[in-house]
Amino acid sequence: GQNIDQPTEMTATEGAIVQINCTYQTSGFNGLFWYQQHAGEAPTFLSYNVLDGLEEKGRFSSFLSRSKGYSYLLLKELQMKDSASYLCAAISSNTGKLIFGQGTTLQVKP
Amino acid sequence: GAGVSQSPSNKVTEKGKDVELRCDPISGHTALYWYRQRLGQGLEFLIYFQGNSAPDKSGLPSDRFSAERTGESVSTLTIQRTQQEDSAVYLCASSPGTQGEKLFFGSGTQLSVL
Repeated sequence: GQNIDQPTEMTATEGAIVQINCTYQTSGFNGLFWYQQHAGEAPTFLSYNVLDGLEEKGRFSSFLSRSKGYSYLLLKELQMKDSASYLCAAISSNTGKLIFGQGTTLQVKP
Repeated sequence: GAGVSQSPSNKVTEKGKDVELRCDPISGHTALYWYRQRLGQGLEFLIYFQGNSAPDKSGLPSDRFSAERTGESVSTLTIQRTQQEDSAVYLCASSPGTQGEKLFFGSGTQLSVL
């Protein structure tokens, strides 16, 4: 089966750095996604990792360790608009199915 | 169209009625997913279509739920004899189908069962 775990809530200060962790178990693995979802809106794509290592994209970076079944999303220079839910999702190479975690609600405070 | 389109955007229905939700994926996208999202919670997988393969229905919560897709185009999610616990946002997403391609989401249908 597939299981995705991530913290439910996090709080951080504007201008700071925050790391959101995700652990996963899948029947076969073919990549890990991070999505951002603002309240009342659809999720939007942030990043995709299939190989070990760090992928940097502006203020956002995503890391993957396949051997540990672990990923994190790193947000730098936090802005108030970064307050949102961050969803970790893993895709099974056996089924092609994309399964999401419960999401981490990040609150950025002044 | 330019993106994934879902209709209706909002649906209010009475308990026991049937509802049909529609999703128009991005043209050419072979993969289509339906997810359910209850208030304040994550995305719950419902069903996955990939090309002409048999759909993965493993996430459908009961036999009241069914979904169809015509070729690689429109999909409909039907909920029969709706219950109050069916109240949620139903999100549709599509992708080109190659594993690892990102999903593009529609804006969802907010279903309220009274």
